[in-house]
Amino acid sequence: AQTVTQSQPEMSVQEAETVTLSCTYDTSESDYYLFWYKQPPSRQMILVIRQEAYKQQNATENRFSVNFQKAAKSFSLKISDSQLGDAAMYFCAYRSMGNAGKSTFGDGTTLTVKP
Amino acid sequence: NAGVTQTPKFQVLKTGQSMTLQCAQDMNHEYMSWYRQDPGMGLRLIHYSVGAGITDQGEVPNGYNVSRSTTEDFPLRLLSAAPSQTSVYFCASNSGPGRYEQYFGPGTRLTVT
Repeated sequence: AQTVTQSQPEMSVQEAETVTLSCTYDTSESDYYLFWYKQPPSRQMILVIRQEAYKQQNATENRFSVNFQKAAKSFSLKISDSQLGDAAMYFCAYRSMGNAGKSTFGDGTTLTVKP
Repeated sequence: NAGVTQTPKFQVLKTGQSMTLQCAQDMNHEYMSWYRQDPGMGLRLIHYSVGAGITDQGEVPNGYNVSRSTTEDFPLRLLSAAPSQTSVYFCASNSGPGRYEQYFGPGTRLTVT
């Protein structure tokens, strides 16, 4: 079974600064997908960014980018120019290529943004 | 599109009671899933479905039943509620395997006393 580990329960960043959230995972599969979700206090799960394991290029979405190291099984999220609205819980998630219904989530990192 | 809807938003049950959490999606997605989120933890998969009439167990299925008679609906039944089932429950759907995004409902906060 796959596991996802987020080793930072809490992180804080100054507004306009850059922060990196860590995620490692364990799998014996070679093809899979990785996701970062944001969960604000409203509880709504919002997709931030996704990465296909077969792609060497790191995914980027505006101020959000990932550092995907397949051999190290590491998938960190970098948030640049942090904004107050980025404050939330962030979850890293793994999904096998063949099974769309099953995602494995980490325990989350709570991000605080200081003005 | 309403997306993924869940009812109720909040529910309090007594130990031993049964109830059904409703989930519906209007995006014609084949895949639907139920997760629970306990305080300070990530989402854990309870049951999932890859199409109407097809369901399978996830990581924490005990105490829950599901069925999928239509593409749109995927109800989660608690057979005999226990305090350990106090949690926030999320339903999700997606249109295909792999890279396709899972769309989440707003969640149901369930308390079992």
